[in-house]
Amino acid sequence: DARVTQTPRHKVTEMGQEVTMRCQPILGHNTVFWYRQTMMQGLELLAYFRNRAPLDDSGMPKDRFSAEMPDATLATLKIQPSEPRDSAVYFCASGLRGLQHFGDGTRLSIL
Amino acid sequence: GENVGLHLPTLSVQEGDNSIINCAYSNSASDYFIWYKQESGKGPQFIIDIRSNMDKRQGQRVTVLLNKTVKHLSLQIAATQPGDSAVYFCAENRDSGAGSYQLTFGKGTKLSVIP
Repeated sequence: DARVTQTPRHKVTEMGQEVTMRCQPILGHNTVFWYRQTMMQGLELLAYFRNRAPLDDSGMPKDRFSAEMPDATLATLKIQPSEPRDSAVYFCASGLRGLQHFGDGTRLSIL
Repeated sequence: GENVGLHLPTLSVQEGDNSIINCAYSNSASDYFIWYKQESGKGPQFIIDIRSNMDKRQGQRVTVLLNKTVKHLSLQIAATQPGDSAVYFCAENRDSGAGSYQLTFGKGTKLSVIP
């Protein structure tokens, strides 16, 4: 079965450090989504790409977060500088015609 | 202050019984609905979907019912097994006609299966 692959699976770092999370979408999918999941807020959409173009990043704190798709096989989410409140599980999903398939997430802890 | 997490609705069922998980959606224009299952430490996994031109769809041991009149979606799991224990999310797509494929997720329901 084709899967969305996310790396790293876990990341622990100190506040102020740069964090980069990577996602390999399923080949042939034309949409990519970044979500953040916390106990407090549940699943929140951060950014959304279609055909590698950013369509909506209104859910993302612009001053420290950035999302890119340098090519069709790679999506990245960067946080610089990181803060303790960024601690969460970050999911990438890719999709075609509405159905989204999720990776297993990056569990991020900022100390 | 005290960190209070989401209080997920919880459904406890005996192994072998049927489970019904409910979801209310907000936008009458939504035309595509998906149920996801999320196990601990994993991402949401697709279970079954339904489009608004249908009111019922069946899969293996699962059935989704859509009532557009009251904007209600349900997931029925037959002969519930311990492996079904997870958090279940419904999701709606509000604008697929315009080519937007963003999903809006419900808060989730935790299903616990009692062996």
